[in-house]
Amino acid sequence: DSQMTQSPSSLSASVGDRVTITCRASQGIHNSLAWYQQKPGKVPKLLIYAASTLQSGVPSRFSGSGSGTDFTLAISNLQPEDVGNYYCQKYDDAPLTFGGGTKVEIK
Amino acid sequence: EVQLLESGGGLVQPGGSLRLSCGASGFTFSTYTMGWVRQAPGKGLEWVSDINPSGGSAFFADSVKGRFTISRDNSRNMVYLQTNSLGADDTAIYYCARAGGASWYVDWGQGTLVTVSS
Repeated sequence: DSQMTQSPSSLSASVGDRVTITCRASQGIHNSLAWYQQKPGKVPKLLIYAASTLQSGVPSRFSGSGSGTDFTLAISNLQPEDVGNYYCQKYDDAPLTFGGGTKVEIK
Repeated sequence: EVQLLESGGGLVQPGGSLRLSCGASGFTFSTYTMGWVRQAPGKGLEWVSDINPSGGSAFFADSVKGRFTISRDNSRNMVYLQTNSLGADDTAIYYCARAGGASWYVDWGQGTLVTVSS
């Protein structure tokens, strides 16, 4: 089974910064990767699927890239409302594993 | 508007069972894969199971395989997760989710809390 390794586990950045989160699959998963945001006390929200396709309604400052085993979620112009945990998820085949998560905070 | 409403959570003793339910509305239920994702207190997301639109194919995480079953009733727009032989590690909020084109999860319910404790 492919494992998903996310890094960093946490980051702190200033408003307006560009931050990146990486997700590495232990086996190739083509572009079968999604990214989710979970704000404190809230339900997860889909940001990106197919590695780089922005879900409807998600601000364009979020972007995804990658294919195969290495993927990146970028948040440009970080905003206070972006605070929360971010998770990658592979969905090429069961098990549909989530990454361990990245906590994003504002300095 | 898509709505997913979970129920059936609660306090259960180790070794016990619970049947979680998820009622769906706002979309053509019978055409979507449905899934369950759980989150232990203060921890990350863990995929549990999903079931294809017809109910003829289902998959499970290794951590629940052989103990949990998933089913759906397309006539009632319901999906169920039968959880057996529960242990402390199964304590979590269980979210019902609707899959998109493949098994990425577009819509999520508010979750139902399962607490396994004596």
